Amino acid sequence: EADIYQTPRYLVIGTGKKITLECSQTMGHDKMYWYQQDPGMELHLIHYSYGVNSTEKGDLSSESTVSRIRTEHFPLTLESARPSHTSQYLCASSGSESYNEQFFGPGTRLTVL
Amino acid sequence: GQSLEQPSEVTAVEGAIVQINCTYQTSGFYGLSWYQQHDGGAPTFLSYNALDGLEETGRFSSFLSRSDSYGYLLLQELQMKDSASYFCAVRDRNSGYSTLTFGKGTMLLVSP
Repeated sequence: EADIYQTPRYLVIGTGKKITLECSQTMGHDKMYWYQQDPGMELHLIHYSYGVNSTEKGDLSSESTVSRIRTEHFPLTLESARPSHTSQYLCASSGSESYNEQFFGPGTRLTVL
Repeated sequence: GQSLEQPSEVTAVEGAIVQINCTYQTSGFYGLSWYQQHDGGAPTFLSYNALDGLEETGRFSSFLSRSDSYGYLLLQELQMKDSASYFCAVRDRNSGYSTLTFGKGTMLLVSP
């Protein structure tokens, strides 16, 4: 079944740790996105990709990095987690014919102590 | 830059009709999308308008007026399961029309 997956769903980690949030999609979409969303707030775009070997920074300044080595995989890495990184991180993808319909993964809720 | 305005909260009763408005300021506007997000869940796509007028999809309809920089989402025959946050999002010249900018969201509370 075509879908978009994120792991882990929940992560509690100490300050200074390096973490990687995983995102994979089986829909064959070329475009993928990472958003940050605090509870009850809007989604902020932090990274996006047009396709393999393409990565761009979004509107929200972020200390994270991303890579796109395979079409289906778009991991996000924080080299040194801080309490200010505590948030929900949502991964999304969209097909070549539509930028408007994005399909979202279930999200990773990150808490940095 | 872009800005989108939508009410923070709307309340209604089951069976009623509710309208959630969205006004926007962007450069090179291309289209307006609507997403639904239940508490603790992921956003899901509802509708998209690029041209003026009303688009209907079942109980949900979306309207756009490009000249007024305004759109709305209309929900009919409200059900309890419609309680969720609703986000409008624009696609515009920023980032070469390839990304969406989301509003702050409207929390819809449907009561019995």
